[in-house]
Amino acid sequence: KQEVTQIPAALSVPEGENLVLNCSFTDSAIYNLQWFRQDPGKGLTSLLLIQSSQREQTSGRLNASLDKSSGRSTLYIAASQPGDSATYLCAVTTQDGGSQGNLIFGKGTKLSVKP
Amino acid sequence: DAGVIQSPRHEVTEMGQEVTLRCKPISGHNSLFWYRQTMMRGLELLIYFNNNVPIDDSGMPEDRFSAKMPNASFSTLKIQPSEPRDSAVYFCASRPSLIGGWGELFFGEGSRLTVL
Repeated sequence: KQEVTQIPAALSVPEGENLVLNCSFTDSAIYNLQWFRQDPGKGLTSLLLIQSSQREQTSGRLNASLDKSSGRSTLYIAASQPGDSATYLCAVTTQDGGSQGNLIFGKGTKLSVKP
Repeated sequence: DAGVIQSPRHEVTEMGQEVTLRCKPISGHNSLFWYRQTMMRGLELLIYFNNNVPIDDSGMPEDRFSAKMPNASFSTLKIQPSEPRDSAVYFCASRPSLIGGWGELFFGEGSRLTVL
């Protein structure tokens, strides 16, 4: 059964710092991996989607990498800003034939960027 | 596109009442998910549909919960009778299928349910 883990559960950094959020998964048979952001009291906003054939995706100050063989993904945030403060979640779409593309979420990393 | 549209945004009801949450997925998306989120339990998958067919409903808490997708542009999640422990934010999400895989998942803004 696929499990997705995000460590640490919470992270606090000063403004301007570059940082890395981690996501690991137990079964490398995935279609894709997606990173989301959730602000308090809000829904989830998609940040980046990496298909299984890709190694990384970039959007602005965000860069996500995927290493399927080791079951890991990282989300790199450059020059962090207080507005980046949110909970970041990763999710994988499994290739489990019985589930036809089930989506498994990690529990998220709560990021706080201090001014 | 307007994105995934959920209604109502907020619902306050009394224990024992029926609650119906609605979702309109993004046009062209053929996979739809219902999630529930609470502080205690985090984000939980309730059920998901592919091409209007329920694929995995193992997350539906009990018989009080039911979900339908009568067509590609509409889904409902019904709770009958509702209980205080059902209080949560319910999210709907949709994504397209791609050749050999799946596309990006988009969430609605959620329906915040409070059962008194």
